Amino acid sequence: GAGVSQSPSNKVTEKGKDVELRCDPISGHTALYWYRQSLGQGLEFLIYFQGNSAPDKSGLPSDRFSAERTGGSVSTLTIQRTQQEDSAVYLCASSLGGRAADTQYFGPGTRLTVL
Amino acid sequence: AQSVSQHNHHVILSEAASLELGCNYSYGGTVNLFWYVQYPGQHLQLLLKYFSGDPLVKGIKGFEAEFIKSKFSFNLRKPSVQWSDTAEYFCAVMGQAGTALIFGKGTTLSVSS
Repeated sequence: GAGVSQSPSNKVTEKGKDVELRCDPISGHTALYWYRQSLGQGLEFLIYFQGNSAPDKSGLPSDRFSAERTGGSVSTLTIQRTQQEDSAVYLCASSLGGRAADTQYFGPGTRLTVL
Repeated sequence: AQSVSQHNHHVILSEAASLELGCNYSYGGTVNLFWYVQYPGQHLQLLLKYFSGDPLVKGIKGFEAEFIKSKFSFNLRKPSVQWSDTAEYFCAVMGQAGTALIFGKGTTLSVSS
């Protein structure tokens, strides 16, 4: 596609429910990243996928967070048993090859509100 | 650990004023440096980036940034701001061998016409 797309754009859920957020990267991009943007914390890295390699999960804040990437394209970020502190904008980015020199292109984000 | 510090949380300027946003990073090796911008209601987009070579980097919309290795700084500048530059600006660093961007907390720029 022309850019990174994410769905839904907004998600409101109740505390304790599970949510799934979807990311469609730019076609042909092998690297995919998830970040979280919250008040007071700024932008935080969550997880990174590169091709068929094991993902870098070093930024995931707890074991309630997980992500997968199917067929090297679409990715889903799952948050189990959501908590109010999970409220944030979740951003997905993709880059051509995952190298430091490759620009990361960001999607519009999913705004998650946990009541 | 890598970290990025942006000095100003909120900057308010009049149109035609000059802009300089501070950014300092902490990293022990070779770094790649970025400035991203987020206009109201839009997604993050790249303004400019530095990898090597000329430490003065020019980006889109008249922005430039200077990498000063001795000061661990990568300040963003624009000689004359416009109302349309109102946005949030993020400085970011990536280590040469790294993969994820480490962002500063951002600076909100408000330009009055």
